[in-house]
Amino acid sequence: QQQVKQSPQSLIVQKGGISIINCAYENTAFDYFPWYQQFPGKGPALLIAIRPDVSEKKEGRFTISFNKSAKQFSLHIMDSQPGDSATYFCAASMGYGGATNKLIFGTGTLLAVQP
Amino acid sequence: GAGVSQSPSNKVTEKGKDVELRCDPISGHTALYWYRQRLGQGLEFLIYFQGNSAPDKSGLPSDRFSAERTGESVSTLTIQRTQQEDSAVYLCASSRGTSTGELFFGEGSRLTVL
Repeated sequence: QQQVKQSPQSLIVQKGGISIINCAYENTAFDYFPWYQQFPGKGPALLIAIRPDVSEKKEGRFTISFNKSAKQFSLHIMDSQPGDSATYFCAASMGYGGATNKLIFGTGTLLAVQP
Repeated sequence: GAGVSQSPSNKVTEKGKDVELRCDPISGHTALYWYRQRLGQGLEFLIYFQGNSAPDKSGLPSDRFSAERTGESVSTLTIQRTQQEDSAVYLCASSRGTSTGELFFGEGSRLTVL
């Protein structure tokens, strides 16, 4: 119930294309869903996040789509660029209003954007 | 400092030895987290500290693993009698004390157990 399942494991996209990464969860108590981006040799960094009271959130070229009934959420990267090549992790946590953000992470997607 | 600082950045040890990994969180962040990242895998939660509350140790994989935090500052993750399966990158993160607070990660400590 604590798992967050992420797919695909790896993804190759041409420059200018759309990258789509999907995640699914079981625990309906999760109420916060961020995506983190990790470059080689660096720690993950927050990219974008959503709460289940909205179905979509967009920040620049990055969009989260959220389907509460299906317990799924996805990251869309529009106009993908070589600089977007990184590992992307979805995550989930519960306890809105509490004092900590204990994130359960997916297994990651290695994205390569070819020039 | 400006970000989360971890040391050592790399540690090679022999099976059976004890290791200590250190994390300096961002000043003012009350929450501190440890995660483990095995090669090609996701981030596995180990433990978190929040202020003076009892830590959540639910992710520690065995009693060989322990962690301490002094107040709202430095934390140390200790692995006793290391095993080859302990080889991983150990990531520390800190955040403000909110349930949706962004986790700021350090660059990790890469542990190799021979």
